[in-house]
This record gives sequence, structure tokens and C-alpha cells, in this order.
Amino acid sequence: DGGITQSPKYLFRKEGQNVTLSCEQNLNHDAMYWYRQDPGQGLRLIYYSQIVNDFQKGDIAEGYSVSREKKESFPLTVTSAQKNPTAFYLCASSPLAGVGGELFFGEGSRLTVL
Amino acid sequence: QQQVKQSPQSLIVQKGGISIINCAYENTAFDYFPWYQQFPGKGPALLIAIRPDVSEKKEGRFTISFNKSAKQFSLHIMDSQPGDSATYFCAATVLRENFVFGPGTRLSVLP
Repeated sequence: DGGITQSPKYLFRKEGQNVTLSCEQNLNHDAMYWYRQDPGQGLRLIYYSQIVNDFQKGDIAEGYSVSREKKESFPLTVTSAQKNPTAFYLCASSPLAGVGGELFFGEGSRLTVL
Repeated sequence: QQQVKQSPQSLIVQKGGISIINCAYENTAFDYFPWYQQFPGKGPALLIAIRPDVSEKKEGRFTISFNKSAKQFSLHIMDSQPGDSATYFCAATVLRENFVFGPGTRLSVLP
């Protein structure tokens, strides 16, 4: 079935460690996004990419990094510079950047920093 | 300008009742207003969406009402069911780039 796969679903990290969250889509979508969800704050955009090998910062990019080496993959690295990384992370994609296209979400990855 | 406000934060409705969630925006450039439904531990899924040239859109028990002059839009869930219990997010976007989300409303429908 077509969709967005995020892994791992749950992740625990010690302070000072980097961690990478995986996002893979087989929908042939051009654009991919990473959102952070905290209780009562909705979804905040971390990074997005409209084309392979290109990406832009969202509203809360500090402490995060991404890459887009393949159309179907958009991994997110939460670095030790992120001050409050415990959150629910959502990856999304849309079929056509700029014009048209709905957001399709994965099932999320919950990161807990111990 | 980019913020989307949403109320209430939480809502409890009896089975069969009407659930109403309200959103407001400032940026008049927004041209698309979707609503997403999210169940616990899952990603949001598109529920229904509207463009500003339409005042109302209905899909089954779900209706969006849009007031362009007031820069407000709302989601109405008719005959609410326990299975509708979820968190609902309104959103707004320009050319479907950089979706801006409201903070969410947690709906509980009592049996």
C-alpha cells in the first residue's frame, strides 16, 4: 500500500546524543515536510523540501538537520543543540509543491530524552 | 499574520449532538483551509477542506462554514459519534505551501 513510513515509532535518547528519524514515502510526492507536535501547540514546521537535494528551514529549525538525497526519503536528525527535543515528530508529503496537493502524514515518531 | 487561532481547546459533546470548532486567521493571502483529524498516536488525516470563494462545504456529517469578511471558518460535526473523538486541527495555506496549523481541539463524544 502507498503511504508514508516513519521509524522508529518510539525512541529514547540520552542528553547530548544525536538521533535520526526516518521518513520514507512511496507516493511519488515531490514535497516532504517535518513537523513537531507538542501538547496544545499544534504542528510547527521544522524543515521542508520541494525537490531532491534542496530544503528550506521552517519556523523551528534550530537544533535540527535534514537531507533529501532521494525523492522518497527525508530523514530528520535531532542534534544535541536542540534544547527541548522531547516531542512527537510528524513527517508529511504532498504531491505537488507550490500548486495543489494535500498533506499526507505518517504515523509519527515519539522521541523522549532521558 | 501567519497565526491561525482555534477554539475551544477541548470540547465534550453527547452522542447525537453537534460539535462546533472555530478558527480565525489574519493573513488574507491564505487561499485554502483544510481540517485535519488526528487519533491518539496517529498522524493527522485530511477531513475536509474549503477555498475562500465558497461559504460552505458539506461532506456527510462534516460541514465547513467560511466567513471571508470576518476571516473566520468553522467545522460542524452533526450527529456526533463516539468514533469522532479525536483532536481536530484547522489549517491555512497559500498555494498549499507552508501549512499553518491551529493549536488543535480535543473532542470527546460521550456515549
